[in-house]
Amino acid sequence: DAGITQSPRHKVTETGTPVTLRCHQTENHRYMYWYRQDPGHGLRLIHYSYGVKDTDKGEVSDGYSVSRSKTEDFLLTLESATSSQTSVYFCAISEEGGRSPLHFGNGTRLTVT
Amino acid sequence: GEDVEQSLFLSVREGDSSVINCTYTDSSSTYLYWYKQEPGAGLQLLTYIFSNMDMKQDQRLTVLLNKKDKHLSLRIADTQTGDSAIYFCAEVSFSGGYNKLIFGAGTRLAVHP
Repeated sequence: DAGITQSPRHKVTETGTPVTLRCHQTENHRYMYWYRQDPGHGLRLIHYSYGVKDTDKGEVSDGYSVSRSKTEDFLLTLESATSSQTSVYFCAISEEGGRSPLHFGNGTRLTVT
Repeated sequence: GEDVEQSLFLSVREGDSSVINCTYTDSSSTYLYWYKQEPGAGLQLLTYIFSNMDMKQDQRLTVLLNKKDKHLSLRIADTQTGDSAIYFCAEVSFSGGYNKLIFGAGTRLAVHP
């Protein structure tokens, strides 16, 4: 299995609070991604990174920000959590972007009450 | 726009073949992927096919690609109860200067005795 660790695995938070999810990889891959998974929608890309300090928005980026200060860590922040952000969040890594497979972490289940 | 479509549910009898279908929109996709997700877990890469191929076989898995119709299928021979999972197809989309994977909503495969 690819060395990807997501933390925390589960989190319950209240509306309006900030939340940060962490993805840590040991593979030294250049590309890192954050997806959210919701029933009936599959996986939707939130943000991605193509190198340290290089990030860009995906299709559902509103309400989320990311940071990548080191190759191995990619942080996803919800500045002010809303109930619509209740979801399962997956981090993925890739050596060459879409030209090589994405490998996924085990996910973080976030509930916003 | 980018869109990947799959039927949401498939039920098969143990020992039969399963065929999961997918249509995609980006004719320039270089790779197309199949992922498997078991309950509570992340996505596991099953197989992928390069766009200049029509077919790829890997043990019980056969991937067929019809580029003209932008249709991808995954056939699982001799389906077992351990194959029960959600299967996602994904296309590579090049936008904003980088490749990203766009996923379908997933097909839930149920295998019954």
